[in-house]
Amino acid sequence: AAGVIQSPRHLIKEKRETATLKCYPIPRHDTVYWYQQGPGQDPQFLISFYEKMQSDKGSIPDRFSAQQFSDYHSELNMSSLELGDSALYFCASRGAPPGRAPGELFFGEGSRLTVL
Amino acid sequence: GENVEQHPSTLSVQEGDSAVIKCTYSDSASNYFPWYKQELGKRPQLIIDIRSNVGEKKDQRIAVTLNKTAKHFSLHITETQPEDSAVYFCAALRGIKQGAQKLVFGQGTRLTINP
Repeated sequence: AAGVIQSPRHLIKEKRETATLKCYPIPRHDTVYWYQQGPGQDPQFLISFYEKMQSDKGSIPDRFSAQQFSDYHSELNMSSLELGDSALYFCASRGAPPGRAPGELFFGEGSRLTVL
Repeated sequence: GENVEQHPSTLSVQEGDSAVIKCTYSDSASNYFPWYKQELGKRPQLIIDIRSNVGEKKDQRIAVTLNKTAKHFSLHITETQPEDSAVYFCAALRGIKQGAQKLVFGQGTRLTINP
């Protein structure tokens, strides 16, 4: 079965550079979530999209932005990178079979960003 | 907004014994409570979930209980095995409609099973 695809899996950047992470949700899932997980920390919610519109916003810095495109894939853009941005970034998607309540969130493998 | 507290932060049990992890949530409108298992550097994997219209759910060695009045829910793992060693996260989500609000995670419990 298709899963949530994230790219790149690993990314190394220097301070003040920019980075873009991509997420391809499970087909027919219409809600996408982005989470940031620092070492030894719980995943922190950044932002979510439902039907290509931002549906909720969490602890996302102003230096970050995200959007969901017409094909439902999503991109997280990070600018003016700081050392503290080094983390695992997870994308998750969620959907509902016809006539049923939405189920679990399915997580991608994550993108590991290292800022030097 | 929702706040989820998880205890203990670390738990060490002998192989074959039971492990219990507890979480409390603040938003009484939360109605979906999943538990995730995460191994180092890997994605969270759903192991069991419960909706607010159910008090208990069991899947083989894993069970979850929910007390809506007290706003707490617990994960029970019986007959623990070395492969159960991982970090476990509870979570709460408010609303089950499409485009629902964010899933809020607890702080995590590092479970170690000693052979």
